[in-house]
Amino acid sequence: DVKVTQSSRYLVKRTGEKVFLECVQDMDHENMFWYRQDPGLGLRLIYFSYDVKMKEKGDIPEGYSVSREKKERFSLILESASTNQTSMYLCASSLYPGSGGANVLTFGAGSRLTVL
Amino acid sequence: DAKTTQPNSMESNEEEPVHLPCNHSTISGTDYIHWYRQLPSQGPEYVIHGLTSNVNNRMASLAIAEDRKSSTLILHRATLRDAAVYYCIQENSGGSNYKLTFGKGTLLTVNP
Repeated sequence: DVKVTQSSRYLVKRTGEKVFLECVQDMDHENMFWYRQDPGLGLRLIYFSYDVKMKEKGDIPEGYSVSREKKERFSLILESASTNQTSMYLCASSLYPGSGGANVLTFGAGSRLTVL
Repeated sequence: DAKTTQPNSMESNEEEPVHLPCNHSTISGTDYIHWYRQLPSQGPEYVIHGLTSNVNNRMASLAIAEDRKSSTLILHRATLRDAAVYYCIQENSGGSNYKLTFGKGTLLTVNP
């Protein structure tokens, strides 16, 4: 069964702390994504990566960075956590769809981050 | 970004069919339509996708209008486990093929 695993389901951090959210997929997928989900706002894309060491900004990259040193692992970094980054963070991966193909995502279970 | 329009909520009874509508009036000829659902306390889960023809899989059917400006996700016999938020997404092949933009979705309630 294909899997996207997020290292922590629940985290509580303090304002100003550096936070790492880890995501690992075992499907040899090229693409990986980080979304955040907030009530009333739906899912919003933070960053995505289509290859090792490659990254692209999504719709809301401010205050976040990412790292993809290995194909299977995509990390989201909050350099200095703030209370407005309290949210559910969702990681996803997909196979490169090829020309004319569809981009089908597999999501992890999510990491709920609270910043105090 | 490609936008879709869905009702905020719908209600169904257990074991009855459910038709979840979606409008995607800006769709172009090569854009896929995707459906995902999100059960409580879980990440979204892929349901089905299609381009022009109607599609069936073990979870659902997808009916795409002839002009492709709307589609309907069909759950043939709703169960309590189908209660979830359902997202209709237009994959914009004209832009980045890696990015799927999720809207707010339709909250489906299934009554016993």
